[in-house]
Amino acid sequence: DIQMIQSPASLSASVGDRVTITCRASQGIRNSLAWYQQQTGKAPKLLLYEASRLESGVPSRFSGSGSGTDYILTISSLQPEDFATYYCHQYSRTPYTFGQGTRLEIK
Amino acid sequence: EVQLLESGGGLVQPGGSLRLSCAASGFTLSNFPMTWVRQAPGRGLEWVSSISGRGRTTFYADSVKGRFTISRDTSKNTLSLQMNSLRAEDTAVYYCAKSDSFYDHWGQGALVTVSS
Repeated sequence: DIQMIQSPASLSASVGDRVTITCRASQGIRNSLAWYQQQTGKAPKLLLYEASRLESGVPSRFSGSGSGTDYILTISSLQPEDFATYYCHQYSRTPYTFGQGTRLEIK
Repeated sequence: EVQLLESGGGLVQPGGSLRLSCAASGFTLSNFPMTWVRQAPGRGLEWVSSISGRGRTTFYADSVKGRFTISRDTSKNTLSLQMNSLRAEDTAVYYCAKSDSFYDHWGQGALVTVSS
């Protein structure tokens, strides 16, 4: 199985900050990577797919980059509604696997 | 508007069975692969099972293989997950999700608690 290692596990930041979350796969996943946001008690929400393609309706302050085994989620200017947990997800090879999550908290 | 609505969760004893349903609206379920993902309390997301667009092929995580069965009823536009021989470690919120690669729509989740 492909292991997905996210870092950091948690992050404190302020409104207006730029933050990055990284995800490293145990083998190459050919940009078959999605990012989700999960608010407490809610279902995950798709933010990006194919590493950098923004899902319809998602604000442009969210962006994704990377290739091979290393991928990054960037939030350019944090808004109050962005404080949540973020997961990466590889769908290159079954079983599809998720990162362990990054909890983004208000500083 | 695409909507997914799970039902059937609840409390069950170890070794028992439960059947989850996911009612789809806003799209024809038989045209898309579908997936179940679960999340244990305070934990991350875990892929459980997927069914192909035509429903002919099913896939399972090793942790549930032989115990869980994914299926769908095209006449009711509903996805199901039959869960047998349940264990304490199956306790989780179970989400149905559209597609079998990245998941663009999710249900609200159904809580399954396995405990005596």
